[in-house]
Amino acid sequence: SQTIHQWPATLVQPVGSPLSLECTVEGTSNPNLYWYRQAAGRGLQLLFYSVGIGQISSEVPQNLSASRPQDRQFILSSKKLLLSDSGFYLCAWRSGTANEKLFFGSGTQLSVL
Amino acid sequence: KQEVTQIPAALSVPEGENLVLNCSFTDSAIYNLQWFRQDPGKGLTSLLLIQSSQREQTSGRLNASLDKSSGRSTLYIAASQPGDSATYLCAVEFDSGYALNFGKGTSLLVTP
Repeated sequence: SQTIHQWPATLVQPVGSPLSLECTVEGTSNPNLYWYRQAAGRGLQLLFYSVGIGQISSEVPQNLSASRPQDRQFILSSKKLLLSDSGFYLCAWRSGTANEKLFFGSGTQLSVL
Repeated sequence: KQEVTQIPAALSVPEGENLVLNCSFTDSAIYNLQWFRQDPGKGLTSLLLIQSSQREQTSGRLNASLDKSSGRSTLYIAASQPGDSATYLCAVEFDSGYALNFGKGTSLLVTP
């Protein structure tokens, strides 16, 4: 069966520090991968999605970036965090086949102080 | 702009009641619609997926309906239980898109 792993669960970082969040999927190949951010009162915002290795599409211009170095690995990064980067970050995957469900990781609560 | 709206934002019901959560979307050209459940501080769990060609989907006490022409979906929960307390989110994949657009969710509290 397929599983998705996301870590860390919580993270407290000072403003201006770098960020690296990692997500891996097991039990499937060539998944579509997504990074979402959930801020209080704002719902889920799509940040990045990827349909294959090295293929990244950005939805929102910001100081975050994403990379997909391997088929089932998706990394969210920042060189210098801002206060506004605080939020709950969720990785998700689904099959490239049409009309498949979206599966989420357990999320990372990021607090930038 | 393609938007997904959920009303009400919060709902409290006594245990045993049947209830309906509402979702509306601005563009009827959709690929599919999903309902998710989120517990506090956790990720989202997919409950039901309705393809654009379908009218409803059922899983246990849950029934989701889709009316594309009016831009609406409902999630019906029968015989609610305290364990159903969570936030329920509706998400739409529009024909012109490649990812899900989420509503802000309805926070449900089922009291014993």
